[in-house]
Amino acid sequence: DAGVTQSPTHLIKTRGQQVTLRCSPKSGHDTVSWYQQALGQGPQFIFQYYEEEERQRGNFPDRFSGHQFPNYSSELNVNALLLGDSALYLCASRGRGWVTEAFFGQGTRLTVV
Amino acid sequence: GQQVMQIPQYQHVQEGEDFTTYCNSSTTLSNIQWYKQRPGGHPVFLIQLVKSGEVKKQKRLTFQFGEAKKNSSLHITATQTTDVGTYFCAGRAGANNLFFGTGTRLTVIP
Repeated sequence: DAGVTQSPTHLIKTRGQQVTLRCSPKSGHDTVSWYQQALGQGPQFIFQYYEEEERQRGNFPDRFSGHQFPNYSSELNVNALLLGDSALYLCASRGRGWVTEAFFGQGTRLTVV
Repeated sequence: GQQVMQIPQYQHVQEGEDFTTYCNSSTTLSNIQWYKQRPGGHPVFLIQLVKSGEVKKQKRLTFQFGEAKKNSSLHITATQTTDVGTYFCAGRAGANNLFFGTGTRLTVIP
């Protein structure tokens, strides 16, 4: 049973570029959340997708957008990259019901130069 | 907005000593979860607390949820080198998403 998988594992982009990160949730999970974790900080909630719609959003600008597909996989898109967007981007999935644990993927380490 | 603070930010202990990290929320939580993140790794779920005043134990780890459901603690008895990592609490208010604390980085000196 595969857990949460993310791709790519590492990525280097230039300021102003756009990036797309991908996440496949754990089998049986239908809710996907994205987090940004800067070095030495806790994960910061970006947004959550359920039934192919963005359900909740954290305090991130519109440059951060996402999508969820019918198979529950998800993408995180970031436009007009800034140096400050360099971070570990984590995807977490969980099953139905809000009182459930989140399973995290290994993350994508994004470096903006 | 909702904020979850943890103290201390860093803790160095000798192997065999105890360790405690404290978590405080600015709002009442519906539940709180604890995660451990090893260096270079991703957060891994440890436990969830839901009831006011709840105490749960996992071997040498003891988790508490405050009576007001705004604070929580994790206590590790007789630390081992395998306990090294950053411990995060993550609170949820209502049906909202998890908001992670600032984390406590534990170093265990052999």
